[in-house]
Amino acid sequence: DTEVTQTPKHLVMGMTNKKSLKCEQHMGHRAMYWYKQKAKKPPELMFVYSYEKLSINESVPSRFSPECPNSSLLNLHLHALQPEDSALYLCASSQEYRGDGETQYFGPGTRLLVL
Amino acid sequence: AQSVTQLGSHVSVSEGALVLLRCNYSSSVPPYLFWYVQYPNQGLQLLLKYTSAATLVKGINGFEAEFKKSETSFHLTKPSAHMSDAAEYFCAVSSNSGYALNFGKGTSLLVTP
Repeated sequence: DTEVTQTPKHLVMGMTNKKSLKCEQHMGHRAMYWYKQKAKKPPELMFVYSYEKLSINESVPSRFSPECPNSSLLNLHLHALQPEDSALYLCASSQEYRGDGETQYFGPGTRLLVL
Repeated sequence: AQSVTQLGSHVSVSEGALVLLRCNYSSSVPPYLFWYVQYPNQGLQLLLKYTSAATLVKGINGFEAEFKKSETSFHLTKPSAHMSDAAEYFCAVSSNSGYALNFGKGTSLLVTP
C-alpha cells in the first residue's frame, strides 16, 4: 500500500480563521513533506520532517505551522492566512530523507481557498 | 545545485501517436531523476525514476524514459497515446548533495481524438 491520505479535500476559510490540514501514511515512512502548489505551477517545498523532527523550513511564513505528532501523522496549522495562500497543499512521504533516489509518495492534496 | 528544464509547457498529440516529453537536467553530481504525472484535481503519481541501475527505465502505464548523460537528458516517451494520458507531467531531480526534489515547470499533455 503506497497511500498517503489528506483531509479535508477542500477547505474555505476567512483570513481570521484557524484551521488545520491533516496528512496520514501507514507505510512506515520516516520522512514527511508539505508542498504548496499554485495553479499550473510545480509543487514548492514548504517543510520536511525526518524522524518526527523538522529538518527543512523553506522560509515559510509563520502563519503556517507544521506539526508531526507521530511518525504516521503530519499536520499543517493555518492562522491568519492571506488570499494569496490559496493553493493546493500536498503532503508526501518517503522511506527516509536522504539522497539516494528516495521516492516521494504524494497524497491527493487539500484545495484551500482563503477569502 | 541540481535543476531540470522541461522543454515545452504544452504538448498536443493525436490518440495513438508517439508521446515525447522533454526533460534536461543540470547537476554537478550524479542525479536521481523522476517523472511524475498529475491528473486534474489530484496529487502527483510516480511514473518512473532513474537511480543509475539502468539507463532505460520502464514505468507505469506504458511510459519509459532514457537517461543520456552525454545529452543531460531524461525524456519521457510512450509509443501510443491514450486519451487517459492527458495530464500534467513533471520531471524532477535530486542527488546525494541535495535531498529535496527540484521540479521542472511541468508539461501539459493534450491528447486529441
